[in-house]
Amino acid sequence: GNSVTQMEGPVTLSEEAFLTINCTYTATGYPSLFWYVQYPGEGLQLLLKATKADDKGSNKGFEATYRKETTSFHLEKGSVQVSDSAVYFCALSRNTGFQKLVFGTGTRLLVSP
Amino acid sequence: GAVVSQHPSRVICKSGTSVKIECRSLDFQATTMFWYRQFPKKSLMLMATSNEGSKATYEQGVEKDKFLINHASLTLSTLTVTSAHPEDSSFYICSASRGEIGEKLFFGSGTQLSVL
Repeated sequence: GNSVTQMEGPVTLSEEAFLTINCTYTATGYPSLFWYVQYPGEGLQLLLKATKADDKGSNKGFEATYRKETTSFHLEKGSVQVSDSAVYFCALSRNTGFQKLVFGTGTRLLVSP
Repeated sequence: GAVVSQHPSRVICKSGTSVKIECRSLDFQATTMFWYRQFPKKSLMLMATSNEGSKATYEQGVEKDKFLINHASLTLSTLTVTSAHPEDSSFYICSASRGEIGEKLFFGSGTQLSVL
């Protein structure tokens, strides 16, 4: 079946450090891939997405590239801020819409000043 | 952006009681709502999909008689955990969609249920 595997957290970084949160997936065909972010006390928000191989999603300084050969969609940011502290969820969808999502476990990011 | 309100954010109840969780779309009509559950260190798992005015569609392994879903209006869906037991303790999240192809989902902030 379809599944998403994320690195376990928490990930603890100092401000301005480089961030990578690994995400790999298992799916038949060509799923769409997503990163969602959940800030404390808020609902999950779509951070970025990619719908086909080699696509790069980007938003707010975060990037992730859809790598079909390695079935990965790692999230990166060159310089994190304290305000980036949140839980990040990798997800996939087998259809072209966003609707039926398969999520990873979520990775908590803690950024200290 | 669109807002989905979920209440309560945290609930503690005794074993055998029922708990109702509400999910409201505040500024749009949600033709479809989804309910997810996350156990500690596990993935966020889809439990069921509900469309306004019709019965919910449950994912495999989710007991429909235990997790009652009502989507009686375009702005409100409720999840009732009936006769809750400690193993039902989990984080429950709802999301809502306007139902358009490619439309993104809007999520509630989640409900932490603890059953004693």
